[in-house]
Amino acid sequence: GAGVSQSPSNKVTEKGKDVELRCDPISGHTALYWYRQSLGQGLEFLIYFQGNSAPDKSGLPSDRFSAERTGGSVSTLTIQRTQQEDSAVYLCASSLRLAEETQYFGPGTRLLVL
Amino acid sequence: AQSVSQHNHHVILSEAASLELGCNYSYGGTVNLFWYVQYPGQHLQLLLKYFSGDPLVKGIKGFEAEFIKSKFSFNLRKPSVQWSDTAEYFCAVIGKGGSYIPTFGRGTSLIVHP
Repeated sequence: GAGVSQSPSNKVTEKGKDVELRCDPISGHTALYWYRQSLGQGLEFLIYFQGNSAPDKSGLPSDRFSAERTGGSVSTLTIQRTQQEDSAVYLCASSLRLAEETQYFGPGTRLLVL
Repeated sequence: AQSVSQHNHHVILSEAASLELGCNYSYGGTVNLFWYVQYPGQHLQLLLKYFSGDPLVKGIKGFEAEFIKSKFSFNLRKPSVQWSDTAEYFCAVIGKGGSYIPTFGRGTSLIVHP
């Protein structure tokens, strides 16, 4: 079956612009996670969804970051007024349920802010 | 708060050498533990996981990991590595009964010379 897909695969933007990153999880997976992967920094947890609800938004780096999930499926991560330090690979993962399930990762969106 | 420490950031081995990658975590309760692998140009994927039961778990491609509760460790091992094991390895933990926020280590880059 289809895995987790993300779009765009690459995004180059100018500082100050807004960007929107999309994640299509595996069908039927109720949990969805966003991470940021910077060179040499491992994976930084950003936010997770259980259904359409995001119980904990404390991982978002600043109020320029927001995320939503609709219909228990597609999720979008929006970064407003992008800064150069936002440059990273943004990964999405989904799992059947929270915590006790394997996470299936997408290919990521490589964001470069000039 | 939970945290994960991977002691080896870069490991270089020759084929047939034995491998052990260290992972230590901190959390005040019981945990689910994971090792994920990212081969060059591919998605992150699950290597193995521990939820409960036998502390020695076996994963794909001949990898295994042992959960030692007293040492808060979940080290990854493979008796004889192959060139195709060249990848980035990530240890992750999710605290049970907590916030369901996964915490990943910074990763270990493994290079296996043929």
